[in-house]
Amino acid sequence: GNSVTQMEGPVTLSEEAFLTINCTYTATGYPSLFWYVQYPGEGLQLLLKATKADDKGSNKGFEATYRKETTSFHLEKGSVQVSDSAVYFCALSGRNFNKFYFGSGTKLNVKP
Amino acid sequence: ETGVTQSPTHLIKTRGQQVTLRCSSQSGHNTVSWYQQALGQGPQFIFQYYREEENGRGNFPPRFSGLQFPNYSSELNVNALELDDSALYLCASSLASGAGELFFGEGSRLTVL
Repeated sequence: GNSVTQMEGPVTLSEEAFLTINCTYTATGYPSLFWYVQYPGEGLQLLLKATKADDKGSNKGFEATYRKETTSFHLEKGSVQVSDSAVYFCALSGRNFNKFYFGSGTKLNVKP
Repeated sequence: ETGVTQSPTHLIKTRGQQVTLRCSSQSGHNTVSWYQQALGQGPQFIFQYYREEENGRGNFPPRFSGLQFPNYSSELNVNALELDDSALYLCASSLASGAGELFFGEGSRLTVL
C-alpha cells in the first residue's frame, strides 16, 4: 500500500540555520510527491511538488528532490526565517491525483 | 477570487448523533475532497467528488457520506457519531486538470462527547 513517513518534530532552529526535514514513502506505481505547509491559523497550502524520479521541486527557497532509489523526498532550505515557522506535511498521490496520503507533519519553530 | 470556506468552524456533538459539514470550493474548481485530521496526525483521505459523483474513497465506513452540488460546493455527513470521530475535517478543492494542487479550507473542528 501507499504511505508516507516523516521525521517527528518539533524541530527548533535559529534564524539562518540550514533545514532538513526527512520524508520517505512506500508506494505502488509511480507516485507524485508533495510538500504542503500549514502556517498558524491557516489551511494547508502547496509548497512544492515533483511528479517523476529525479525531479526537483522548489519554492520560496525550499527544495526537495524525488529520489526513487531511496524512496525519499527530503525538504531542505539553506537559511530559514522566523516566518518559516509552520507545520510541514509530506504527501504522495497517484497518477490521477484523486487520493493523497499525508505524513503526520513536522512542526518547525524558528527563533530569532 | 474566494478561497475554500468551511462551516461550521467548531461544533460539539454527542455519541450517536449525526453531523453535516459544509464546504464551498474555490471559484472555478470542480473537484472537492474531504480529509479527517486527528490531533497530531496528518490528514486522512475520506472521499473525493468530481462533477457530483464520488471519485474515490478511503477506508472509512459507510456512515461517512457526502454530496457535491451543481455549484461544486459539498457536504460531509457522518451518522451514528463515535468518540473517535473527534477530529478536524478538512475540505480541499481542486481542478481535475490541476496536476495535484489541493486548496484547503481551515477545517471544521468536531468534538464528540
